[in-house]
Amino acid sequence: GAGVSQSPSNKVTEKGKDVELRCDPISGHTALYWYRQSLGQGLEFLIYFQGNSAPDKSGLPSDRFSAERTGGSVSTLTIQRTQQEDSAVYLCASSPYGTGKKAFFGQGTRLTVV
Amino acid sequence: DQQVKQNSPSLSVQEGRISILNCDYTNSMFDYFLWYKKYPAEGPTFLISISSIKDKNEDGRFTVFLNKSAKHLSLHIVPSQPGDSAVYFCAASNAGQGAQKLVFGQGTRLTINP
Repeated sequence: GAGVSQSPSNKVTEKGKDVELRCDPISGHTALYWYRQSLGQGLEFLIYFQGNSAPDKSGLPSDRFSAERTGGSVSTLTIQRTQQEDSAVYLCASSPYGTGKKAFFGQGTRLTVV
Repeated sequence: DQQVKQNSPSLSVQEGRISILNCDYTNSMFDYFLWYKKYPAEGPTFLISISSIKDKNEDGRFTVFLNKSAKHLSLHIVPSQPGDSAVYFCAASNAGQGAQKLVFGQGTRLTINP
């Protein structure tokens, strides 16, 4: 596609349920990032994939969060046993570079845990 | 540990005047800096970047200045236009090391008044 695509665009879930958020990066981009933005906050780094290297998971806030990237393309961010503090906009970005240079963002998934 | 800081959460500027957005960082290993612009309900979009080997980069109405000794960068927009009203994020990376994540500031909401 022309840009980074995320689905769903909005998700409302009950506390304690699991959710999966999907990201389709720009074709050919080797780097993929997940960030989240809580209300009134900046962009918080979650996880970073670069090619076949081991992902940088240093930003995942708890073991309820996990992510995978299949075939070096599509990525899924999974949040288990969701809590109200998980409510945020989850943003995915991809980059043709593996060096932290210009990244292209999707429109985000707004997650609301009720 | 907030490695990238934008100390002004908001800024209001009159149309036609100069907007100056500031960003400070603490990690001396950062060698690549970017500014992103974000409209509501959209993902951030890349605006302009600068490598640490430079102290200025200009693109149309947008200029980024880097002061390495002060660990400070700024984005100048001149003349400011109503369409510039958005949240601006600065970001930094250690691109020289390869495969590094972008670290974002908290953002500054810029409002251009007609």
